[in-house]
Amino acid sequence: DAKTTQPNSMESNEEEPVHLPCNHSTISGTDYIHWYRQLPSQGPEYVIHGLTSNVNNRMASLAIAEDRKSSTLILHRATLRDAAVYYCSESGNTPLVFGKGTRLSVIA
Amino acid sequence: NAGVTQTPKFRVLKTGQSMTLLCAQDMNHEYMYWYRQDPGMGLRLIHYSVGEGTTAKGEVPDGYNVSRLKKQNFLLGLESAAPSQTSVYFCASSYSGGLYEQYFGPGTRLTVT
Repeated sequence: DAKTTQPNSMESNEEEPVHLPCNHSTISGTDYIHWYRQLPSQGPEYVIHGLTSNVNNRMASLAIAEDRKSSTLILHRATLRDAAVYYCSESGNTPLVFGKGTRLSVIA
Repeated sequence: NAGVTQTPKFRVLKTGQSMTLLCAQDMNHEYMYWYRQDPGMGLRLIHYSVGEGTTAKGEVPDGYNVSRLKKQNFLLGLESAAPSQTSVYFCASSYSGGLYEQYFGPGTRLTVT
């Protein structure tokens, strides 16, 4: 079973920031936090990952709580192409386990 | 680079038939994975491999077998297909363990009637 919990769905207006939350209640000290997304009819794609510090890349930012029990994926300006299911996960030496994710809808 | 490719893209089987799904990667990755995704669900790990000649069970391994005879290929076999195995199957690979990003293939849609 997935070790993370996420809201089933979220909605955002185009061009606005989106904050997608994830709870990691049982995360261990050495597990990395990963985020993936799945566009309609495609395989999942990597978005970002981090351990303790906040991380930025061209796609998104990842904010990790100080106790690491929660993380937030931040899309700075949502576009219609960002409509997807977003999965958070944790991994150290074991493969990623994916939950049901958050379905993000973007409204024009 | 083609990345991760999966063959076939679609398949319909009758109950009891067997088939093999092929996953190939050209990134020289050590780790490879097979997941299944049912409608409205997340991905569930079936089997994975941490290197050529090795395999390990994931969350839902029953009814499936795998082989990793070559580093670049990971085969998923269904010996006697059942309707409960109707799903979309995704293969993925990564350079190494959990620290590294996984690259996913486009998926194989399997229907068992």
